[in-house]
Amino acid sequence: ETGVTQSPTHLIKTRGQQVTLRCSSQSGHNTVSWYQQALGQGPQFIFQYYREEENGRGNFPPRFSGLQFPNYSSELNVNALELDDSALYLCASSPGLPPEGNEQFFGPGTRLTVL
Amino acid sequence: KQEVTQIPAALSVPEGENLVLNCSFTDSAIYNLQWFRQDPGKGLTSLLLIQSSQREQTSGRLNASLDKSSGRSTLYIAASQPGDSATYLCAGGREYGNKLVFGAGTILRVKS
Repeated sequence: ETGVTQSPTHLIKTRGQQVTLRCSSQSGHNTVSWYQQALGQGPQFIFQYYREEENGRGNFPPRFSGLQFPNYSSELNVNALELDDSALYLCASSPGLPPEGNEQFFGPGTRLTVL
Repeated sequence: KQEVTQIPAALSVPEGENLVLNCSFTDSAIYNLQWFRQDPGKGLTSLLLIQSSQREQTSGRLNASLDKSSGRSTLYIAASQPGDSATYLCAGGREYGNKLVFGAGTILRVKS
């Protein structure tokens, strides 16, 4: 069983640009969640997808959007990048919504730097 | 709104010492609580998951407890080793979708 993978590992963008981050969940995991972790802080929930439908969103503006695909991969898209978007972006997968299985397994993250 | 606080923010101990990390949360309707380890610049490694119906979980030298009535969880690390040095994060999940709310973490350094 493979773990959660993310690409790219590091990324540098400039203000106003757009970025797409990718995540490949563990096989059979129908739920993927995305988190933003600023330096020295705990991760903040961005949104969650369950079977390709958005299943909740945190306090992030609409320029943060996502997609989940049938092959257990997903994307996080951020438009009009701002300096404060610089962070580690983490995706996490879990087998399904509770009570099916709720332990979340995290990928290694993508470090985004916005200049 | 769920808020999670971790105390202490940082901890430095000599090798071999037993230690306790604390996590408190404001919403007693928590569905589960998960403890993670994070090495610098890396992703999160799940250590222990405690369901709301459970009181504690153990894995090797780690033991985590959950007291929903007081809004507290503790992570006990026995016989600490330099390899335990990392940031430890706790996170509470709500039932629907299990969207985790994280604390800011405790930075642990175990000196050899």
